[in-house]
Amino acid sequence: DSGVTQTPKHLITATGQRVTLRCSPRSGDLSVYWYQQSLDQGLQFLIQYYNGEERAKGNILERFSAQQFPDLHSELNLSSLELGDSALYFCASSVPRAGGISTDTQYFGPGTRLTVL
Amino acid sequence: EDQVTQSPEALRLQEGESSSLNCSYTVSGLRGLFWYRQDPGKGPEFLFTLYSAGEEKEKERLKATLTKKESFLHITAPKPEDSATYLCAVQALVGTGGFKTIFGAGTRLFVKA
Repeated sequence: DSGVTQTPKHLITATGQRVTLRCSPRSGDLSVYWYQQSLDQGLQFLIQYYNGEERAKGNILERFSAQQFPDLHSELNLSSLELGDSALYFCASSVPRAGGISTDTQYFGPGTRLTVL
Repeated sequence: EDQVTQSPEALRLQEGESSSLNCSYTVSGLRGLFWYRQDPGKGPEFLFTLYSAGEEKEKERLKATLTKKESFLHITAPKPEDSATYLCAVQALVGTGGFKTIFGAGTRLFVKA
């Protein structure tokens, strides 16, 4: 158990809908990262937050957005869902280094499996 | 373009048959290279972080090494429970304090008893 929690475990929805995925980082971790893993794409970095602020963006679609709240949990919002959005979505957190910049090592949660029908 | 390539895609070993997995990379401003193990439907499990060429780390039957262009994950006398997908990732600093992490496609390891 990495200490990172994600809810829900499974989500089934229809095209055009909007969903919210939730992540609680490990105790003491200030950085949260979101990833998408589909069968044909591997693990793709979406976005990173550090202590409530966006720090880095990867291949995140405009239909997707994220935020990190003062209690450090994070939510990933996916809207206007398409069949191709079906995937495993992972959250990871990392340990803050002195000086306020997160270290590299990320610890992953168990993921949310999203199925879009 | 930043890229991570893992080989082989799949590897079948007999129990006790040692082997190595390869991860070759190109990235600007490497901050670290990571190895993860992933079981089907589960989140990646952290194994190692390597920061500079020449560095080596070990954990049980696994040993990771790093050069300027590639990393190897050596598996000594594997057991069936080592069967999993092994992921390699590289990380670079972007912007002010952000990290970009690029994962390889993974090597699926099957160890037969």
